[in-house]
Amino acid sequence: KQEVTQIPAALSVPEGENLVLNCSFTDSAIYNLQWFRQDPGKGLTSLLLIQSSQREQTSGRLNASLDKSSGRSTLYIAASQPGDSATYLCAVARASGTYKYIFGTGTRLKVLA
Amino acid sequence: ETGVTQSPTHLIKTRGQQVTLRCSSQSGHNTVSWYQQALGQGPQFIFQYYREEENGRGNFPPRFSGLQFPNYSSELNVNALELDDSALYLCASSGAASGSWTDTQYFGPGTRLTVL
Repeated sequence: KQEVTQIPAALSVPEGENLVLNCSFTDSAIYNLQWFRQDPGKGLTSLLLIQSSQREQTSGRLNASLDKSSGRSTLYIAASQPGDSATYLCAVARASGTYKYIFGTGTRLKVLA
Repeated sequence: ETGVTQSPTHLIKTRGQQVTLRCSSQSGHNTVSWYQQALGQGPQFIFQYYREEENGRGNFPPRFSGLQFPNYSSELNVNALELDDSALYLCASSGAASGSWTDTQYFGPGTRLTVL
C-alpha cells in the first residue's frame, strides 16, 4: 500500500530564505509525482508534475526533484516571499490501476516579512 | 478554456440527510476524480469517472455514490450523512483535451460540507 509522508509538517522562515520541502513514498512503482499548493480553505493549485522517467522539473523559483529508487522528492523554493505562505502537498500516482493520487498530509509554510 | 468549477461553495447539513455536490470539468477533459479532505489532512481518493463509468474507487462506503454526464460534468452524492463526513470535497478533471492526453489533474475550489 502506497504511503506518502511529508517532512516537516510546518515551517516558518524569514523572507528571502531558500528552503526545501521533503516528500517520501513507500512504493517506487509510480506513474508520476505532483506538487500542489493549497491556500487556507481553498482548492489545490498544481505547481510541478514530474513523470517517473524524469529527475526534476523547474518553474520560476520552484524546482522539484524525484529519486524514484529511494522513494523521495524534494521541492526547492528559492528566495522565499510572504506570498509563498501556504500548505504544500505532494501526491503520487500509481503506475498501474486507476489513475489516482495518494497525498501526503502537507507542509504548512509561513514566510515572515 | 474554463477551469474546474464546483457548487455549492459551502453547505451545512444535519446528520442523516443526503447531499449532492456538483463539478464541471475543465473543457475537453473526460475524467473526473473526487477527493475528500478532512481538516489538517491530505485529500483522500473517493472515486473516479471516465466517460460516464466508474473507473476506480477508494475506501469509502456505498453511501458515497456518483454520476458523470455526457458533457463530463459530475455529481457526488452522499446518503445518511455522518458527522465525520464534514470535509472539503474536491473534484479534479484530467484526460483528453483537444486530442492530447494530460496527466495533470486540475482541481476545483472545493465544496466545504459541514454536518451538524
